[in-house]
Amino acid sequence: QVQLVQSGAELRKPGTSVKVSCKASGYTFTNYGISWVRQAPGQGLEWMGWISGYNDNTNYAQKVQDRVTMTTDTSTSTAYMELGSLRPDDTAVYYCARDTRGGDSSWLDPWGQGTLVTVSS
Amino acid sequence: EIVLTQSPGTLSLSPGERATLSCRASPSVSRNFLAWYQQKPGQAPRLLIYGASNRATGISDRFSGSGSGTDFTLTINRLEPADFGVYYCHQYGSSPVTFGGGTKVEIK
Repeated sequence: QVQLVQSGAELRKPGTSVKVSCKASGYTFTNYGISWVRQAPGQGLEWMGWISGYNDNTNYAQKVQDRVTMTTDTSTSTAYMELGSLRPDDTAVYYCARDTRGGDSSWLDPWGQGTLVTVSS
Repeated sequence: EIVLTQSPGTLSLSPGERATLSCRASPSVSRNFLAWYQQKPGQAPRLLIYGASNRATGISDRFSGSGSGTDFTLTINRLEPADFGVYYCHQYGSSPVTFGGGTKVEIK
């Protein structure tokens, strides 16, 4: 079955960076893209950006574009999201979700199980 | 950026009742590229509806989506205990994609 499995919870100090992985299985990785969405405690969903599994094209949300880098490793069908210059308000559960490989955006399905990133001194 | 406003914020209903959730867009959603997700505590969101009215694979026909342009509705017939949670709408017709703030469906 189509599945996305994310790396485990992380604790980081302000000003440092974190890299979250998302391993895909059950489908051809290069036929799709991956979007990253985060959810602060008790809050709604916030789209962070998208990367194509086909050609590594990216589209980042303006709010984080100066601090985020999304990459893929097609040999392992894994997507990565690295967020730098972390602040306490980056504390959230970070989700990856399967998206379009390019062109029009798409609905997100399925989603990874989420990775809790806590930023605290 | 398209702003999605969901209402009501909380819906208190009993099992067996019908839930009607609203998602209003400003400006309008291109090509009815609107999806609905269900999220339960401690879990990732799950796709219910895409393209405004198409049920995702494995989703009960008690869930239906409708609407176009600026007004969209998710209807859940004959509520079951497993249906309680938070529901989000999501437009993917324009960049950046955006989400609504969510509607919580709770047991009355």
